[in-house]
Amino acid sequence: EDKVVQSPLSLVVHEGDTVTLNCSYEVTNFRSLLWYKQEKKAPTFLFMLTSSGIEKKSGRLSSILDKKELSSILNITATQTGDSAIYLCAYISSGSARQLTFGSGTQLTVLP
Amino acid sequence: GAVVSQHPSRVICKSGTSVKIECRSLDFQATTMFWYRQFPKQSLMLMATSNEGSKATYEQGVEKDKFLINHASLTLSTLTVTSAHPEDSSFYICSARVSGALAGELFFGEGSRLTVL
Repeated sequence: EDKVVQSPLSLVVHEGDTVTLNCSYEVTNFRSLLWYKQEKKAPTFLFMLTSSGIEKKSGRLSSILDKKELSSILNITATQTGDSAIYLCAYISSGSARQLTFGSGTQLTVLP
Repeated sequence: GAVVSQHPSRVICKSGTSVKIECRSLDFQATTMFWYRQFPKQSLMLMATSNEGSKATYEQGVEKDKFLINHASLTLSTLTVTSAHPEDSSFYICSARVSGALAGELFFGEGSRLTVL
């Protein structure tokens, strides 16, 4: 059965710290892995990763996919209180609908 | 970017009543929309895939007679929770994909918080 596991489940850091969030997957016919940030309402898209070893960056956030290890990491440098959120990874398997299946999420709390 | 509007954002109803939630793609056509449910402190769980003009595809464990999905047009999908019970209280989120676009271009509605008394 396909699955995606995120770790840690929760994390508390102080402003300025760097954090690394993990996502591992076991997916038949894997297509892509996506990262989302969810604050109070709906998730907002961060990255989509399809190729192994290519880092994607957006400001202080970066992410990379390792198809050999079946995992991905999301890095946030110089964290700010506004980074506090649930970070979700999701996979897409090959198929006509291409729906997203989400992991359990990592609850990140950044303290001032 | 594309906008998905979900309505209502919050609804409180009595046990036994039915509640309809709308999901609209405002500036694009979406042949496929997805409905998720999220319980407190848990992740989004896919309930069903809604295809315009055809029957929805439900995930295992989701009762299709309880959660009625209608995708009558390229810009509107509705989820009706029939005979709601307190255990149906949850956060319901829809998402829509621009027809023909990459999967990353999946836009989410703002969500609808349902509370069943």
